Amino acid sequence: EAGVAQSPRYKIIEKRQSVAFWCNPISGHATLYWYQQILGQGPKLLIQFQNNGVVDDSQLPKDRFSAERLKGVDSTLKIQPAKLEDSAVYLCASSSTGGGGETQYFGPGTRLLVL
Amino acid sequence: AQSVSQHNHHVILSEAASLELGCNYSYGGTVNLFWYVQYPGQHLQLLLKYFSGDPLVKGIKGFEAEFIKSKFSFNLRKPSVQWSDTAEYFCAVNAFRGNTPLVFGKGTRLSVIA
Repeated sequence: EAGVAQSPRYKIIEKRQSVAFWCNPISGHATLYWYQQILGQGPKLLIQFQNNGVVDDSQLPKDRFSAERLKGVDSTLKIQPAKLEDSAVYLCASSSTGGGGETQYFGPGTRLLVL
Repeated sequence: AQSVSQHNHHVILSEAASLELGCNYSYGGTVNLFWYVQYPGQHLQLLLKYFSGDPLVKGIKGFEAEFIKSKFSFNLRKPSVQWSDTAEYFCAVNAFRGNTPLVFGKGTRLSVIA
């Protein structure tokens, strides 16, 4: 089966610009996650969707980050305006139903550099 | 709040050496535990996981991990590493029940030299 797809793979922008990332999860997976991975750290959850509803966005900086999953399939994460500290890899993951012991499958990530 | 500690930032081993990577977690309830691996240039993939039953879990590529509840630990082991095991290894935890995200440790970089 096809894995989690993400685009673009790399993005370089200047601070205060906006940027958007796209994710297409594994077909049939109800749960979709966006994680931020800063260099030297493990991934940190930004937002979790169950179908097209938000389950957890407690760690999403809502003043500049937004995300949507309108039809319960693919998702877009946006940063506007970007700050230097947003430089990181943005990972999308999906799982079948989101149950605790389920495996989350990760995409290749989008590497963002903010100058 | 959940947290995960990985004791080693960077481990360097010769081929055929034995490996043990430490992982401790903090959580006031029953958990699921995971080890993910990221090979150079590749995406994160599951190595093994524990959610119930035998606390000794076997994963892919000869890796295993042991859940010790009393120590809040889930250390990763491999008896003989290969050059191809060079990668970054992440320990992660989430609540046993419910729709909760993974909380990751900072990762351990393993370099295997010939």
